[in-house]
Amino acid sequence: DGGITQSPKYLFRKEGQNVTLSCEQNLNHDAMYWYRQDPGQGLRLIYYSQIVNDFQKGDIAEGYSVSREKKESFPLTVTSAQKNPTAFYLCASDPSRGSHNEQFFGPGTRLTVL
Amino acid sequence: AQSVSQHNHHVILSEAASLELGCNYSYGGTVNLFWYVQYPGQHLQLLLKYFSGDPLVKGIKGFEAEFIKSKFSFNLRKPSVQWSDTAEYFCAVNEGRNSGYALNFGKGTSLLVTP
Repeated sequence: DGGITQSPKYLFRKEGQNVTLSCEQNLNHDAMYWYRQDPGQGLRLIYYSQIVNDFQKGDIAEGYSVSREKKESFPLTVTSAQKNPTAFYLCASDPSRGSHNEQFFGPGTRLTVL
Repeated sequence: AQSVSQHNHHVILSEAASLELGCNYSYGGTVNLFWYVQYPGQHLQLLLKYFSGDPLVKGIKGFEAEFIKSKFSFNLRKPSVQWSDTAEYFCAVNEGRNSGYALNFGKGTSLLVTP
């Protein structure tokens, strides 16, 4: 069954702790993306990666870090430097063969920092 | 950078009413446009997309959208909504190669369809 999985679905952390959100895809897509969704704000781009071992900052990268060691995996770390980390985080992927691509989204992880 | 504006943040309609959700973008070059939908508790999924050709595009579940280049608009329409259309709708624009083809989203419109 092809798709994008994100885990966990809900995550609670104490303020000041780093936390890593998982994103895995078995679609053989080259490009992967992390977005943050806040009520009334739409989706905002955190980081993206077009190929393995390469990634770029998006519009709101401060306080976040990523890695892309494998094609199928693009984990996101929310660091203690992120001032307002409580949000819904969405991972997406696409084949990266041009601008006509539809992005496929995972189910999301809802992070709550207490 | 491009910006995407969705005019209506919350819309409430009765079943069988017609729907039009506005979307405008700021980019002046060639654009690729998308509408995504997020049903309660489900993944964000593609409704329809426009790249070129016929400016009237048809998507899933009876939705359509019209690209009007002169107005920088890509409004979503459905002639008769159903209760199952209750969801959040996002307009998005592809930013092009410099941003890795990441999508620039509007803030979303929450649609509630009442029986």
